[in-house]
Amino acid sequence: EVQLHQSGAELVKPGVSVKISCKASGYSFTSYNMHWVKQRPGQAVEWIGVINPESGGTDYNGKFRGKVTLTVDKSSSTAFMQLGSLTPEDTAVYYCARGDYSGDYFDYWGQGVMVTVSS
Amino acid sequence: DIRMTQSPASLSASLGETVNIECLASEDIYSDLAWYQQKPGKSPQLLIYNANSLQNGVPSRFSGSGSGTQYSLKINSLQSEDVATYFCQQYNNYPNTFGAGTKLELK
Repeated sequence: EVQLHQSGAELVKPGVSVKISCKASGYSFTSYNMHWVKQRPGQAVEWIGVINPESGGTDYNGKFRGKVTLTVDKSSSTAFMQLGSLTPEDTAVYYCARGDYSGDYFDYWGQGVMVTVSS
Repeated sequence: DIRMTQSPASLSASLGETVNIECLASEDIYSDLAWYQQKPGKSPQLLIYNANSLQNGVPSRFSGSGSGTQYSLKINSLQSEDVATYFCQQYNNYPNTFGAGTKLELK
């Protein structure tokens, strides 16, 4: 069974960084791209970026370039997203989602991580 | 970036009714369109991909259609478990972009 298990909720102060993990199981981790998206209440989901776990190659939404760094650890089948210089506008639920092999739609999603940025 | 305009923003329908949700892309996305269902407090689930392909395990009362810039999701014979928010996603170009969502409630 394909599963994406994300790390727990984060409460952080403005200006700091946070690193979220997404552990994959039930499939060949390096065979599928991993995407990350942001969801805020009442707003459209935003695509943050994608990483190819085999090569480590990345593509970022220009809006998040410089804010986000995507990495993977192939040995543990885990993808990571680091969010830097956090502001209250970064308060959201962040999901990892597996990209299907035939297109960049998302066939499996993590459970989401609530990141709250507050002083 | 490709803009996805989704309508309606909210919808109230009766059990057994047929509902339609639309997504309009700001440019041709060549059927690179997916639909998701999200229930409160849960992760989104893929319903439709490539505009009209039903994801494994999704009930056949869900269907997708469209081409070019105009796409729609149809739910036949609405069931109580279909109460959710639905949104579209284009994946023809990076950055992938999403519709703002349609909240479906029972009348």
